[in-house]
Amino acid sequence: DAGVIQSPRHEVTEMGQEVTLRCKPISGHNSLFWYRQTMMRGLELLIYFNNNVPIDDSGMPEDRFSAKMPNASFSTLKIQPSEPRDSAVYFCASRGLRETQYFGPGTRLLVL
Amino acid sequence: QKEVEQNSGPLSVPEGAIASLNCTYSDRGSQSFFWYRQYSGKSPELIMFIYSNGDKEDGRFTAQLNKASQYVSLLIRDSQPSDSATYLCAVNPSGGYQKVTFGIGTKLQVIP
Repeated sequence: DAGVIQSPRHEVTEMGQEVTLRCKPISGHNSLFWYRQTMMRGLELLIYFNNNVPIDDSGMPEDRFSAKMPNASFSTLKIQPSEPRDSAVYFCASRGLRETQYFGPGTRLLVL
Repeated sequence: QKEVEQNSGPLSVPEGAIASLNCTYSDRGSQSFFWYRQYSGKSPELIMFIYSNGDKEDGRFTAQLNKASQYVSLLIRDSQPSDSATYLCAVNPSGGYQKVTFGIGTKLQVIP
């Protein structure tokens, strides 16, 4: 299995621009998680989906962030408009029947 | 009080020694506990999970859980330079089967 796939791996953008991060979970996994990691705050859960349905988005910082999962094999996290404080590493993780979450390689986002 | 607390370190140990990593959590009803290892610039990977009070051993790694005191620890025997990484403690709180909360992580340095 290819594992969790994320794209892009690196993104540099200017403040105010729209950013879209993409994730393909492991085939057969029914839960998908979006995390943000910074030095100051560590790994924070933004939102998670179960069977393509958003279950808990209480970690989404504000209305500038949105996430979708149109099917079992694809999810997006969008930031519009982006701000410098959004600079972080964004991880996607998926989970099957067991509790283990498998993380993707992450997207390093830098907003100038 | 943070839900999951860890000392950010760095914790330095000489090669061959035992490294002891500690984590406390606030939700007394928490059911499952995880240790992830994250190398610099990489994504977290699960190395241990534990559900019951006591010890769980896997090779050089031992996870210890004390629910009464609300702490979980990870011991690494015969530490190797390749163990140098950040170790993240994660807790699945009561009522949130999938919503794992991560600690800030402890950076471990194994000195050759």
